[in-house]
Amino acid sequence: SQQGEEDPQALSIQEGENATMNCSYKTSINNLQWYRQNSGRGLVHLILIRSNEREKHSGRLRVTLDTSKKSSSLLITASRAADTASYFCATDPIKAAGNKLTFGGGTRVLVKP
Amino acid sequence: KAGVTQTPRYLIKTRGQQVTLSCSPISGHRSVSWYQQTPGQGLQFLFEYFSETQRNKGNFPGRFSGRQFSNSRSEMNVSTLELGDSALYLCASSLVTGDEQYFGPGTRLTVT
Repeated sequence: SQQGEEDPQALSIQEGENATMNCSYKTSINNLQWYRQNSGRGLVHLILIRSNEREKHSGRLRVTLDTSKKSSSLLITASRAADTASYFCATDPIKAAGNKLTFGGGTRVLVKP
Repeated sequence: KAGVTQTPRYLIKTRGQQVTLSCSPISGHRSVSWYQQTPGQGLQFLFEYFSETQRNKGNFPGRFSGRQFSNSRSEMNVSTLELGDSALYLCASSLVTGDEQYFGPGTRLTVT
């Protein structure tokens, strides 16, 4: 079963616009990670935010984390056609010993040129 | 540094057969995790190995098993294949617990 819910399930924007997607989860976490997947290929790690962090930036990506609401958001600014992909949030739950990511259902992003 | 490699990339098997998938982690990474991705269930955690020991296991039947070798390479095995086992199987490695995971390109298994 999936821990997280992602919203929206799909997003279509024009190149240059910003894309925002949200992730909600159920249990306490050590960290939350965002990944990108192109057309059924492997996942590419984008950013990791720890439970004691509220915001993190990496290039055109901005991630926020609200542990009180058990939610996170990923913002992609000035989107490009190459950003077209599925984006997944994944949580590392506190109770798990070792690595055991639980993924959300993903947001499919289409950036139109 | 070379990334995570998985072999084979594509596989077609018949119901009832068994299959072994291989994963080579990034050099120096001792944690290897396996995930199954299907359109219906999404990405689901199978198991994780660290220093040849299974540290975590997901909610999958006993037909799914794995192991890790002393060089950190890992294999997963699925016995008595069912149609529902058709999926993209992804392997990921990480340097330390709680760190980002680096995924391989996956093995696409089709069961007919």
